[in-house]
Formats: sequence, structure tokens, C-alpha cells
Amino acid sequence: AQSVSQHNHHVILSEAASLELGCNYSYGGTVNLFWYVQYPGQHLQLLLKYFSGDPLVKGIKGFEAEFIKSKFSFNLRKPSVQWSDTAEYFCAVTLNQAGTALIFGKGTTLSVSS
Amino acid sequence: GAVVSQHPSRVICKSGTSVKIECRSLDFQATTMFWYRQFPKQSLMLMATSNEGSKATYEQGVEKDKFLINHASLTLSTLTVTSAHPEDSSFYICSASGRVNEQYFGPGTRLTVT
Repeated sequence: AQSVSQHNHHVILSEAASLELGCNYSYGGTVNLFWYVQYPGQHLQLLLKYFSGDPLVKGIKGFEAEFIKSKFSFNLRKPSVQWSDTAEYFCAVTLNQAGTALIFGKGTTLSVSS
Repeated sequence: GAVVSQHPSRVICKSGTSVKIECRSLDFQATTMFWYRQFPKQSLMLMATSNEGSKATYEQGVEKDKFLINHASLTLSTLTVTSAHPEDSSFYICSASGRVNEQYFGPGTRLTVT
């Protein structure tokens, strides 16, 4: 069965620390990969996405992610986090096929202290 | 970017009543709409997939007679929670997808059943 695993349930960092959130997927076929962020009390926002091409994807707010096909991974990174990055982060996968739903990981809570 | 709206944003209803939630794609035609449910501090769980003009496809464990989905046009899908009970209290989120396999999320509807 298709699944998405996010290794870190809760990450606590100080401002300016580097961030890496793990995401692995189990999904047959060609996939599209996404990272979403949900700030407290707000709705989902797309951080970045990978459909094809350069496996290193740059998103908004200084985030990037690298698709490593051989490892079935799509880890999210940011060199220097800010207090405002405190949020819930979700990795999601879908087949590269119109009309297919996103499968979400369980999410990682990031807490950044100033 | 594409905009998806949901109405209402919050609703409180009494146990046994029905509640209708609307999901609209404002600036594009959504051939497919998805309904997700998110419990506090948990990930999004896909409830159903609906294509315009056809019956929705429900995920395993989701009662189709309780969660009625209608996708009557390319810009509107509705989710009706029938005979709501307190355990149906949750955050309901829709997303819409057009010809390209990318989903745009609505802001969500907070349902509280008393």
C-alpha cells in the first residue's frame, strides 16, 4: 500500500539552526512530491513541489528539498530557521496522473525558539 | 495562483442535524475535488474523491451515506455531514485539481457537533 513516512514527530531548534526533515514514501509508479506547511490556526500552504527535472527543488521562504529516487526520499531543508518557521510540516505524494489524491505523512511539528 | 474557497469556515451544530460544506474553485475549473479530514494534531486523511458529474469514490472506512458528496459543476463540490454526532467534530478540508495534477487547498471548515 502507498504510504508516506515522516521520521521526526517533533523537532525543536533554536533560531539560526539548520533544519532537515525526513520524508520517505512507498509508492509504485512515477510520483509527484510536495511539502506543505500549516501555521498555527491557518490552512495548508504549499512550500514546494517536485514533478520532474532537477531533483533539488527550491520553494518559498528559503526552503528546499531534494528528491533522491533511489532512496524514495524527499527531505526538506532550510539552512537557517527563524522563529516564524514554527509550524506543522507535511510531506505528501501523489501519482503523476491527473485526478489522483495526495497521500500525506503524519506531519512534523517544528518549534523554533528565539 | 489558483484559489479555492470553503464555506462556512466554522460551524457549530447540534447532534442529529445535518451540515453542508461548500468548496469552490474560484478561478479555474476543477475536474476533480478531494475531501480530507484532519483531527487535532494529526495529518490529513483522504475521505473521498469526486469528479464532476459522477459519483464520489470513498476511502475505506468512510461512510458514504453519512458523508454525502456532490460535485455538480466544475467549480463547486459540497460535503454534507448527515445526522452529525460529536465524533464527527473535525476540520474538513477540500482541495481542487484541474487538468494539471496539482491540488489547491481550501482554508478548511471547523465543524463542532454539540
